[in-house]
Amino acid sequence: GENVGLHLPTLSVQEGDNSIINCAYSNSASDYFIWYKQESGKGPQFIIDIRSNMDKRQGQRVTVLLNKTVKHLSLQIAATQPGDSAVYFCAENPATGFQKLVFGTGTRLLVSP
Amino acid sequence: GAVVSQHPSRVICKSGTSVKIECRSLDFQATTMFWYRQFPKQSLMLMATSNEGSKATYEQGVEKDKFLINHASLTLSTLTVTSAHPEDSSFYICSARGSGQGSYGYTFGSGTRLTVV
Repeated sequence: GENVGLHLPTLSVQEGDNSIINCAYSNSASDYFIWYKQESGKGPQFIIDIRSNMDKRQGQRVTVLLNKTVKHLSLQIAATQPGDSAVYFCAENPATGFQKLVFGTGTRLLVSP
Repeated sequence: GAVVSQHPSRVICKSGTSVKIECRSLDFQATTMFWYRQFPKQSLMLMATSNEGSKATYEQGVEKDKFLINHASLTLSTLTVTSAHPEDSSFYICSARGSGQGSYGYTFGSGTRLTVV
């Protein structure tokens, strides 16, 4: 089912490294995807989005790649900074007509100075 | 930018009592609001979707009589946890979409930490 209660995987990087966070989504009909950053005790913060008719989208220091063939999404963060430390979630819009977002399990990013 | 205010940020209540959480869109009209629950070290789980003036649509497994959602205006939605029990302790987050946000704008509140003792 959705959002199975798994322990969050962790990615540890050094400051200045590039980070790649991966997400496998479940619904091949999903037409819109968003990456969110969540700091402890706060709500999700929008990072970048991509529609299903695109393979790649770039923002400031971030890039999202979409591979619809294998239902895979990735977030690349360039020159990772300690302030990037947080939990990152991908979310998909399953195109059910209700416009809801379904969240992936999340990845904790730890950036060491 | 679009802002969603969620209140309270933290609440502690006794088992058996009810708690109301408010979610307000401050600078846009929220035609659709979503309520999520998040347990420690887990992802956000969608509880229900509400459209202004309509009954909420609940996700499978979510008790609609326990989690009452009201979306009576374009700027306010409330979630009431009725007869709360310790297992309802969680982080509750609202999200809103509306006019003026473009086709795909979702704005999240800052969350409410509910502790039932």
